[in-house]
Amino acid sequence: GDSVTQMEGPVTLSEEAFLTINCTYTATGYPSLFWYVQYPGEGLQLLLKATKADDKGSNKGFEATYRKETTSFHLEKGSVQVSDSAVYFCALSDLGGYSTLTFGKGTMLLVSP
Amino acid sequence: EAGVAQSPRYKIIEKRQSVAFWCNPISGHATLYWYQQILGQGPKLLIQFQNNGVVDDSQLPKDRFSAERLKGVDSTLKIQPAKLEDSAVYLCASSLGQTNTEAFFGQGTRLTVV
Repeated sequence: GDSVTQMEGPVTLSEEAFLTINCTYTATGYPSLFWYVQYPGEGLQLLLKATKADDKGSNKGFEATYRKETTSFHLEKGSVQVSDSAVYFCALSDLGGYSTLTFGKGTMLLVSP
Repeated sequence: EAGVAQSPRYKIIEKRQSVAFWCNPISGHATLYWYQQILGQGPKLLIQFQNNGVVDDSQLPKDRFSAERLKGVDSTLKIQPAKLEDSAVYLCASSLGQTNTEAFFGQGTRLTVV
């Protein structure tokens, strides 16, 4: 079945540092890929998505590129802020279904001033 | 537009008791999902509705969990009887229903079983 593997956290960075959170996936078809973010006390929010190979999703300074050859969708940001502290989830949706999401375990990001 | 509404936000019950959660999706969204998020893990799909029909309930523990979506709008998820391992956040999400449309999540209900 489909699965998503993320790097374990927490990831601890200083403000303005470069961020990478690794995500790899296993899927039988050609899925769409997503990054969701969960701020403390809040629900999951879609951060960015990519629907086909080589697509780059971007939002709020974050970006991720759909790499079919390496089955990866790593999240990057050039300069993190304290307000980026949250849990980040990589997820996939099988193109054949009704947008059912399979999530990774999540990676906590802690940014200090 | 209003988001996905869930209630209650928090619930503490003793094992073997029953509990119910309520979800009101975004207006016009045909697809509704219930996810279980155990601490330290990603959300896991329990059940998916398309209007008032079940699309996928393969991971729903049917001996104790049940869900319904009357009239294709609101939904309730029930656990009876609860076990300690049911302690988790229960997330409701909705989407327009077309393939690969964005799913919008509610804030969740945090259940603690003692």
